[in-house]
Amino acid sequence: QSALTQPASVSGSPGQSITISCIGTSSDVGGYNYVSWYQHHPGKAPKLMIYEVINRPSGVSNRFSGSKSGNTASLTISGLQAEDEADYYCSSYTSSSTWVFGGGTRLTVL
Amino acid sequence: EVQLVESGGGLVQPGGSLRLSCAASGFTLSSYDMHWVRQGIGKGLEWVSAIGLAGDTYYPGSVKGRFTISREDAKNSLYLQMNSLRVGDTAVYYCARLGGGAAPGNAFDVWGQGTMVTVSS
Repeated sequence: QSALTQPASVSGSPGQSITISCIGTSSDVGGYNYVSWYQHHPGKAPKLMIYEVINRPSGVSNRFSGSKSGNTASLTISGLQAEDEADYYCSSYTSSSTWVFGGGTRLTVL
Repeated sequence: EVQLVESGGGLVQPGGSLRLSCAASGFTLSSYDMHWVRQGIGKGLEWVSAIGLAGDTYYPGSVKGRFTISREDAKNSLYLQMNSLRVGDTAVYYCARLGGGAAPGNAFDVWGQGTMVTVSS
């Protein structure tokens, strides 16, 4: 199972919006609504930001939103804040009853 | 408070074995699918194994036949037995809960802080 494809890095200024893509196949992202997104600060535990493509866990800012079209899922962060600077990973369930992560995207807030 | 705490990491030689533990508190571990995820140095997250409610287990090809996931309900704990370790297995290993029921579903909603495994001669 190959890793999902994410851009290595994205950047934006405070207040702007950015979108991170996550490209899979019909055997994972395209085949199931079990796409999730995680924020990871180095040295800390990853934090769930979006689950089942579009849903936000309690306590996660509504500046974070998720979507999916075909085999590509996306995470959008609006009103960028300095605290959003982190690594972001997508994940999906697969047709092999396994799970797969994306390669990760480093978000820099300029 | 819902919490996962890993232990058992350390330095091991190539070909050696190590057993990781993950103690759960604030919830009943056997009521959820549980997973191990790792992050190599300078690398991304990689899914390592899962155990379902019925004790069914799943692995990616990179660790299948070498790693074994298990749980002990009486101790509310999860384990990862790692054999035939390779330099490429060097990573921080996290245990994670797959949410369900009242918790966010089909996503890793609770994570431990991780335990470091270094495979080196």
